[in-house]
Amino acid sequence: AQSVTQPDIHITVSEGASLELRCNYSYGATPYLFWYVQSPGQGLQLLLKYFSGDTLVQGIKGFEAEFKRSQSSFNLRKPSVHWSDAAEYFCAVDPNQAGTALIFGKGTTLSVSS
Amino acid sequence: NAGVTQTPKFQVLKTGQSMTLQCAQDMNHNSMYWYRQDPGMGLRLIYYSASEGTTDKGEVPNGYNVSRLNKREFSLRLESAAPSQTSVYFCASSLSRGSSTDTQYFGPGTRLTVL
Repeated sequence: AQSVTQPDIHITVSEGASLELRCNYSYGATPYLFWYVQSPGQGLQLLLKYFSGDTLVQGIKGFEAEFKRSQSSFNLRKPSVHWSDAAEYFCAVDPNQAGTALIFGKGTTLSVSS
Repeated sequence: NAGVTQTPKFQVLKTGQSMTLQCAQDMNHNSMYWYRQDPGMGLRLIYYSASEGTTDKGEVPNGYNVSRLNKREFSLRLESAAPSQTSVYFCASSLSRGSSTDTQYFGPGTRLTVL
């Protein structure tokens, strides 16, 4: 079945440590890929997106993501986490590359410890 | 420039009551969307409107109706609310359908509780 999977429901990292949030998709063709962040009580903000070209994508707030076709993955990374990064992170895909509405993963909650 | 605005921010309904959630965007976007967010489920698309005058069903349209009132506004109506519709509802907009280079911009959400 077509799906977007975020295997980690909740992750805790220490402030200053590196972060990697996992996202896998199961669609026949490579979809367009997105990462969004949602701070408590807020709407969603786009961190970065991948359509084609360079498989390492830079986003806002120091985040980056790498598309790996062989693994059907689009993992989000940050080299040094700040306490303000505590939020919920959603991976999303546009499976038809048609600009229609997105399919979201179930999200990963990030906690940052001091 | 307010972006995407939603009203109300919070609402409590009794089973069987009706209500309309309002959404407006001031970015001159063509496409608008309604999602619901439930714990552990991520966001699921209810309805979307590719352009003024058109609407299409998403993944979970049952129990909802929408109206694209004009280019700016896209409302979501619950005709007879059920406890299963307790959720946080997000409206989003993007410049144009058919181009995934467009970013979807989200509103702050409406938290709805149906008793």
